[in-house]
Amino acid sequence: SQQGEEDPQALSIQEGENATMNCSYKTSINNLQWYRQNSGRGLVHLILIRSNEREKHSGRLRVTLDTSKKSSSLLITASRAADTASYFCATDVWSGYSTLTFGKGTMLLVSP
Amino acid sequence: DGGITQSPKYLFRKEGQNVTLSCEQNLNHDAMYWYRQDPGQGLRLIYYSQIVNDFQKGDIAEGYSVSREKKESFPLTVTSAQKNPTAFYLCASAREGGEQFFGPGTRLTVL
Repeated sequence: SQQGEEDPQALSIQEGENATMNCSYKTSINNLQWYRQNSGRGLVHLILIRSNEREKHSGRLRVTLDTSKKSSSLLITASRAADTASYFCATDVWSGYSTLTFGKGTMLLVSP
Repeated sequence: DGGITQSPKYLFRKEGQNVTLSCEQNLNHDAMYWYRQDPGQGLRLIYYSQIVNDFQKGDIAEGYSVSREKKESFPLTVTSAQKNPTAFYLCASAREGGEQFFGPGTRLTVL
């Protein structure tokens, strides 16, 4: 079953603009993670935010988590053409073992 | 270099054949995972293993089998019972509760 749902499914912006992607989920989580995937490649971990955290930053990335609304957002500031990729949120629901459930992703296209 | 490797990169299988995908990590991670990704979709969990000689079924385990005889290795066999095996397969490893590190993937095509 798909725990996380990203929105929008696709996003097209110009270099220098900010990109915001949203993720909604259904059940209580241990943590939420964002990953990036370039076409035909493996995933690269971006940020992990725990259920007791509200905001985290890493370089040009900012992630927020609202557990009351069961939602998260990923903001990429001052985007570059190299940011073109698919972005996935994944939720870790602790049930004796740590496993991730991924959404379908947001495809981001940054044009020069 | 520390990391996680998968082989082969591309694999072609005839209907009715079993094939095994390799996944090796030298990150000293206890947990390893196998995912399947179909075009335009997210990842779906096939099997995972938290420790050597132990593994659990994920959401779509039917038609697949795994083994975990060594900490570093977690091979996935796609059996002839898997009705639609053409997909991109990704292996990952992690410390408990931490981020997952992914291999480059194996693209399996059934001819």
